[in-house]
Amino acid sequence: AQKVTQAQTEISVVEKEDVTLDCVYETRDTTYYLFWYKQPPSGELVFLIRRNSFDEQNEISGRYSWNFQKSTSSFNFTITASQVVDSAVYFCALSEGAGANSKLTFGKGITLSVRP
Amino acid sequence: DTAVSQTPKYLVTQMGNDKSIKCEQNLGHDTMYWYKQDSKKFLKIMFSYNNKELIINETVPNRFSPKSPDKAHLNLHINSLELGDSAVYFCASSQGPPATEAFFGQGTRLTVV
Repeated sequence: AQKVTQAQTEISVVEKEDVTLDCVYETRDTTYYLFWYKQPPSGELVFLIRRNSFDEQNEISGRYSWNFQKSTSSFNFTITASQVVDSAVYFCALSEGAGANSKLTFGKGITLSVRP
Repeated sequence: DTAVSQTPKYLVTQMGNDKSIKCEQNLGHDTMYWYKQDSKKFLKIMFSYNNKELIINETVPNRFSPKSPDKAHLNLHINSLELGDSAVYFCASSQGPPATEAFFGQGTRLTVV
């Protein structure tokens, strides 16, 4: 079973629009971590945020905000007033457990294109 | 000062050759990883090492052999390269386990012809 589902594959918006990237996860663990990474056209993977399973507080960082809801197993990412530089592939990832075997399981990514 | 650095950034080689990718991190992290990103951008873990000890081996063919001479380095050696090995390989490190945010290298684009 897919553990991290990013149902949207490609999204295209016009600059200054708000856009929400969805992420649904599946785990049986009570301790887990959720992440978002950005992969711009240059190819590197940029860490954006980490959330642990005990902290459902939403977070805002500039134009970025994250909505974590355990009840729906979702960790959605919203970009407000999108800019062309936001064009990238965005990955949601899950890390389960607290032991040595913890690893990142990625969703398939969402390609966001922001048009001027 | 690059936190996680991989070399080379691009690698083009013929089928059947053996090649290595090197990775070094200067973050003082205990755990290092190799991830593979295929042509559809799907990222999947291959290996993880914690303090030079192999922790995760995700059913990767034996032709892939990671080596960690110390906790700051994790190299990937690939024998008898096949066309299907063409991908982008990312090295990463984290202060864990458990997994905290992983910092990734810039990736090595391997093309097998």
